[in-house]
Parts: sequence; C-alpha cells; structure tokens
Amino acid sequence: SQKIEQNSEALNIQEGKTATLTCNYTNYSPAYLQWYRQDPGRGPVFLLLIRENEKEKRKERLKVTFDTTLKQSLFHITASQPADSATYLCALDPATGKLIFGQGTTLQVKP
Amino acid sequence: DAGVIQSPRHEVTEMGQEVTLRCKPISGHNSLFWYRQTMMRGLELLIYFNNNVPIDDSGMPEDRFSAKMPNASFSTLKIQPSEPRDSAVYFCASSRQNDRYDEQYFGPGTRLTVT
Repeated sequence: SQKIEQNSEALNIQEGKTATLTCNYTNYSPAYLQWYRQDPGRGPVFLLLIRENEKEKRKERLKVTFDTTLKQSLFHITASQPADSATYLCALDPATGKLIFGQGTTLQVKP
Repeated sequence: DAGVIQSPRHEVTEMGQEVTLRCKPISGHNSLFWYRQTMMRGLELLIYFNNNVPIDDSGMPEDRFSAKMPNASFSTLKIQPSEPRDSAVYFCASSRQNDRYDEQYFGPGTRLTVT
C-alpha cells in the first residue's frame, strides 16, 4: 500500500543545534516533494519544494534533500531557534495533481 | 493580499444539522482544495477544483458531503446531515497551478464540532 511516514514522536532539540526531520514514502514515484510548517490553530504554510531531479535545496537556514532511491526526504533546520518550534509536514504529488500529506513531526526547540 | 479566507472560524452544531463552510481563494489562483485534519488521520484531501470545475472528489467521505465552486472567488463545503465523527478542522487552500509544482496557500481553517 502507499504510505508517507514521518517521525511520529516529537523531536526535542537545544537551541543552536541542527534539527533533522525525516519523510519516507513507499509505493509512490513523486515528481516532487514539498515541506510545510504548521503552527497550532493555523493552516500549513509552504516552506520548500524539491523536484525529483534535484538532490538538495536550500533556503536560508533550511535545507531539504530528496533521495528517490531511498524514497526519502530529509528536512534540516540549522542554528535552530525556539521560534522554529512547530509541526512540519511533508507532502508529495503522486502525479495526480493533488498533494498527499504525511502526519507531520512536531519540533520543539528549547532555549 | 488577504490570503485565503474561510468562514466561520468555529462552528458548533448538533448532530443532524446542516453545516456550510465557506472559502474565498486568493485572487488569480485557479485551483482550490478542501482538506480535513484530525489527530487520527492527519490532513486529508476531500476535493479539489481547477478553474471552478471539480477534478477529484475521491476523498469526500460519503454522500453527506458536497462541495461547489460557483465562481473563481467562492467555494462552499456542505455537510448534511452532520454527525459527531465529522468533527475536525476543515481547511481550504488555493494555488496558481500554472504548473504542477505550485505551492498551496492554506486558509486559517474552520474548527467544526458536532455534538
């Protein structure tokens, strides 16, 4: 069956460290993958998109990798700050024009 | 730009009542999506429209749910009759969809509680 899996347990890290979140998928061949941030009581906000022919994408302190062989995307936040605390969702398009979202990983950055 | 606008922000209703959720997408966006989010099932796509035409409604749970997009600036999601298991946060999102890679812009959501 098709699945998108993100770490279900919350990730707790110290301020200044690098946070790494994982998104694994099975039985999909997505052309691209997106990452969103969601704060409590709010809708998801788009962060980054990476295409299947891209290995890595960066935006300020954010970095995303996409390994189509491993069927995995990693999302990194360097020099993390308490303001980065949120739930992060990965989403992929299985070539249908619509996004399928993972359950999300909650990140808590402690000062 | 005001972003995607949803109303109401909160809705509490009794089982059996009709519920209508409303969405105004970002001007110029030609795709609109309705999602439902629960702790158990996460964020699920219910239906999406492209140029006001429903493209995929395979995520609509059952006949009690219906969605319309009469014009480019307005969409509704209706539940009739509502049931307690419909309690969730419903999000509307829009995108330019000029190519398949455009990101989606989400509204603030409507928190629905059916008692």
